[in-house]
Amino acid sequence: GAGVSQSPRYKVTKRGQDVALRCDPISGHVSLYWYRQALGQGPEFLTYFNYEAQQDKSGLPNDRFSAERPEGSISTLTIQRTEQRDSAMYRCASSSSGERETQYFGPGTRLLVL
Amino acid sequence: GQNIDQPTEMTATEGAIVQINCTYQTSGFNGLFWYQQHAGEAPTFLSYNVLDGLEEKGRFSSFLSRSKGYSYLLLKELQMKDSASYLCAVSNFNKFYFGSGTKLNVKP
Repeated sequence: GAGVSQSPRYKVTKRGQDVALRCDPISGHVSLYWYRQALGQGPEFLTYFNYEAQQDKSGLPNDRFSAERPEGSISTLTIQRTEQRDSAMYRCASSSSGERETQYFGPGTRLLVL
Repeated sequence: GQNIDQPTEMTATEGAIVQINCTYQTSGFNGLFWYQQHAGEAPTFLSYNVLDGLEEKGRFSSFLSRSKGYSYLLLKELQMKDSASYLCAVSNFNKFYFGSGTKLNVKP
């Protein structure tokens, strides 16, 4: 596709429910990153993949958060048993390869946990 | 820990020049990026520095001093559309650490 896409764009859920956020990177991009961005703050690193391998997940806040990229393209970030403090903008970015390449960000998923 | 500092907010006049500073302290360094983010939108890439010195790209320039842990973004001939947040980010072993961003207000 032309750019990084994310779905859904908005998600409202009740506390305790599981949510799955999807990211479709730019075609051919090797690296995929997940971030969380609070209002008025910069993106906070969560995890990243090279192809299908999750290279680093040290930014995931706790074990309720997980991510996968089984075929090296689309990725899903899953939050289990959501809590109100999980409410944020979740952004995905992709790059052609590695840390010296420009990251292209998706529009984000705004998650609201009631 | 990783620490990236930027001023929270700046105001400048249309047509003027503004410099946005960023200082960083990170356990490793593989490059420094600047991103622009308009309200409600995704960050978009502006510049990348990995070696010391100035990188110029049109109205925007970015400077890096690795020994000082310091960078700045220089915006010339400011336009109203430059009103946005400017994010400094350091890459470190494939992890990216972003500052909180500097909100730039451009006034007529």
